[in-house]
Amino acid sequence: SQTIHQWPATLVQPVGSPLSLECTVEGTSNPNLYWYRQAAGRGLQLLFYSVGIGQISSEVPQNLSASRPQDRQFILSSKKLLLSDSGFYLCAWALAYEQYFGPGTRLTVT
Amino acid sequence: GENVEQHPSTLSVQEGDSAVIKCTYSDSASNYFPWYKQELGKRPQLIIDIRSNVGEKKDQRIAVTLNKTAKHFSLHITETQPEDSAVYFCAADTEYGNKLVFGAGTILRVKS
Repeated sequence: SQTIHQWPATLVQPVGSPLSLECTVEGTSNPNLYWYRQAAGRGLQLLFYSVGIGQISSEVPQNLSASRPQDRQFILSSKKLLLSDSGFYLCAWALAYEQYFGPGTRLTVT
Repeated sequence: GENVEQHPSTLSVQEGDSAVIKCTYSDSASNYFPWYKQELGKRPQLIIDIRSNVGEKKDQRIAVTLNKTAKHFSLHITETQPEDSAVYFCAADTEYGNKLVFGAGTILRVKS
């Protein structure tokens, strides 16, 4: 069966510091991969998605970037965090239509 | 692009009553409509979905109905229980199924 991992689970970072969040999927090949952000008490904002290695679609222009160096690895990065980057970051995978979310990383920017 | 609207934003029901959450979408090319349940502090979980060739789908106490002509779909929860309390999100696919557009969410509170 398929499993999706995210780390770290929680992170506290100062404003202006860099960020790297990692997501890996097991048990499937060539999945679509997604990064979402959820601000406290809010909905799901799609940040990036990828349909294959090296293929990244950006949904929201901001100080974040994403990369997919391997088929089942998706990385979210920032060079300088803003206070507004705080939130719950969720990675998801899909084959065909159904999307399944990872456990998430709770990021607090101080 | 696709736009999904979800109502109500909050819903309180008494334990044992039914709950209905409604969503409308704008893109007539959408074919896939999932529902997610998110408990506090946890990831959204896919609870039921429906495709455009089906009008209704049931799974125990939950059901989803789809009206493609009117471009709306609904989640029905019968015999609600306290553990049904959560945030529920609807979604519709776009870009040939590669993306989902989510509604803003409904906070469901089941009072015992």
